Amino acid sequence: DVKVTQSSRYLVKRTGEKVFLECVQDMDHENMFWYRQDPGLGLRLIYFSYDVKMKEKGDIPEGYSVSREKKERFSLILESASTNQTSMYLCASSEDASWGRGEAFFGQGTRLTVV
Amino acid sequence: GQNIDQPTEMTATEGAIVQINCTYQTSGFNGLFWYQQHAGEAPTFLSYNVLDGLEEKGRFSSFLSRSKGYSYLLLKELQMKDSASYLCAVSDSNYQLIWGAGTKLIIKP
Repeated sequence: DVKVTQSSRYLVKRTGEKVFLECVQDMDHENMFWYRQDPGLGLRLIYFSYDVKMKEKGDIPEGYSVSREKKERFSLILESASTNQTSMYLCASSEDASWGRGEAFFGQGTRLTVV
Repeated sequence: GQNIDQPTEMTATEGAIVQINCTYQTSGFNGLFWYQQHAGEAPTFLSYNVLDGLEEKGRFSSFLSRSKGYSYLLLKELQMKDSASYLCAVSDSNYQLIWGAGTKLIIKP
């Protein structure tokens, strides 16, 4: 089974802190994604990566950055956490040929609260 | 703009049938996905439609009409474990996924 693992299920951070969310996948997928999920809204894409060291902005990249130093690992960084970044963060991966055409595999999510 | 609409919440009875609708307006179309998400868990893939018609997979079926910008997910013989949110997503002309807000399905005994 494909497994996408996020390092934390729950995080509480203070305003202004630098926050790292880690995601690891074990299926050698090319594509990895970071989404945030808020009540009443669809999943919103923050950043995605289609190869090591490659990254592309999604719909809401402001206040975030990412790092992909190894194929299996995709990190989301909140440079200076703010309360409006309180959300559920979901990492996903998919095979290269099926990006946007096939199945994406999601991690369990990290519920981040910024106080 | 791009838009995906689905009902916020639906209630159904165990053993019954429920249809969850999804309408979309997107720039281009390269397929429509349905995902299931139990509370506190990861979304999991249910179906993918790119051609018009009905795709059946066990108790779940998904229908697509591209001319109407419309899809539905049909769940038969409902079980309590089907209580979850169901997410509709469309792949647009750039193969970017546009997501609906999800439909929370509540199953009552």
